[in-house]
Amino acid sequence: QVQLQESGPGLVKPSQTLSLTCTVSGGSINSGIYYWSWIRQPAGKGLEWIGRIYVSGRPNYNPSLKNRVTMSGDTSKNQFSLNLSSVTAADTAFYFCAGGDYYGLVHFWGPGTLVTVSS
Amino acid sequence: SYVLTQPPSVSVAPGRTARITCGGDNIGSKSVHWYQQEPGQAPVVVIHSDSDRPSGIPERFSGSNSGNTATLTISRVEAGDEADYYCQVWEGSGDYVVFGGGTKLTVL
Repeated sequence: QVQLQESGPGLVKPSQTLSLTCTVSGGSINSGIYYWSWIRQPAGKGLEWIGRIYVSGRPNYNPSLKNRVTMSGDTSKNQFSLNLSSVTAADTAFYFCAGGDYYGLVHFWGPGTLVTVSS
Repeated sequence: SYVLTQPPSVSVAPGRTARITCGGDNIGSKSVHWYQQEPGQAPVVVIHSDSDRPSGIPERFSGSNSGNTATLTISRVEAGDEADYYCQVWEGSGDYVVFGGGTKLTVL
């Protein structure tokens, strides 16, 4: 069973870059089976897809965030990461990493991590 | 960008049928997935690919998709079904995933 775990700072200052890492166990990010995504959810609000990477292909990003998002994978550590630049309070949310298929169906979720943007 | 519209809330008495809609332009041509999310938890898929039910999900959960509306139907609603429900599609023309705004199901 694939398991995911998010890690990274819980507090980021406005205008800085939010950086999170997702560690995958029980499966390889290089297997070519799954797409690896980031999804966020402000407290009390809905889900927002941020983007995804695949082992051999360009990343796909949410059009509303694409100018600030970079995602990458580290096959040696079996991890993938999210960088979101120029953050504001509106980026405060629970951030989930996830694994799923081409059509966006999420098969595996991390437990989520709260990132607060505040000075 | 592609938009999915869900009612913010649906209320239903125990034992009755709840229907949660997800509206989108020609959504019938897309594959729709539905997630259930309880407070403090990651979402769980209850219906995928319009109407397929993962193992472990009760038969009371079903889905349909046609025209501009996809529907999640929960029959014989139980108190334990009270949760937030989200629809999701892949927008192939732009290569991105879209979530609906979510619907809070309240069991009266």
